Amino acid sequence: QVQLQESGPGLVKPSETLSLTCAVSGYSISSGYYWGWVRQPPGKGLEWIGSVHHSGSTYYNPSLKSRGTISLDTSKNQFSLKLSSVTAADTAVYYCASQIIAAIGTDYWGQGTLVTVSS
Amino acid sequence: EIVLTQSPGTLSLSPGERATLSCRASQSVSSSSLAWYQQKPGQAPRLLIYGASSRATGIPDRFSGSGSGTDFTLTISRLEPEDFALYYCMHYGSSPNSFGQGTKLEIK
Repeated sequence: QVQLQESGPGLVKPSETLSLTCAVSGYSISSGYYWGWVRQPPGKGLEWIGSVHHSGSTYYNPSLKSRGTISLDTSKNQFSLKLSSVTAADTAVYYCASQIIAAIGTDYWGQGTLVTVSS
Repeated sequence: EIVLTQSPGTLSLSPGERATLSCRASQSVSSSSLAWYQQKPGQAPRLLIYGASSRATGIPDRFSGSGSGTDFTLTISRLEPEDFALYYCMHYGSSPNSFGQGTKLEIK
């Protein structure tokens, strides 16, 4: 069974860099698929942040204005998100997730981690 | 970027009734690239429908998806108490992915 688990600081200061990691178990991320990040500000809707292909290609939401970096660490079977120059508007629950795998009719999500941007 | 607009914002119905949720795209979307998610408080989104009309693994057959081009619909044929939640449509497959703003399905 594939499982995803986010980890990282729950509190980040304004103007600093938010760093999160998603550990994947039950599947080798180097074998295939896209792996990405979605966030949800408190009481608001879902926002797609970006994703990384197992080959290393990356795709980002233009609304981040080049502040985001997603990368793979295949040796640890995990992928990460770095978001620079954060403000209070970046306060959200951050989810890591796999792509929708049509062949088996599912996708996989972490349980989410709340990151608060505050001094 | 494809903008998805969901309607209504809130839908108030009773258990046993039929629910119809709409998702309209700002430009034509491939039917293979439209999904629906259910989200309950404190939980990650749960995939219901992918490819506009294919039910995800383990999803009851009272959930169905339809549509093409710019107009897509999620139908819940007979509402069960556990169906009252938030629902999001999502465009995927061509960057950037995007979500609709959500429809809250509440008990009347």
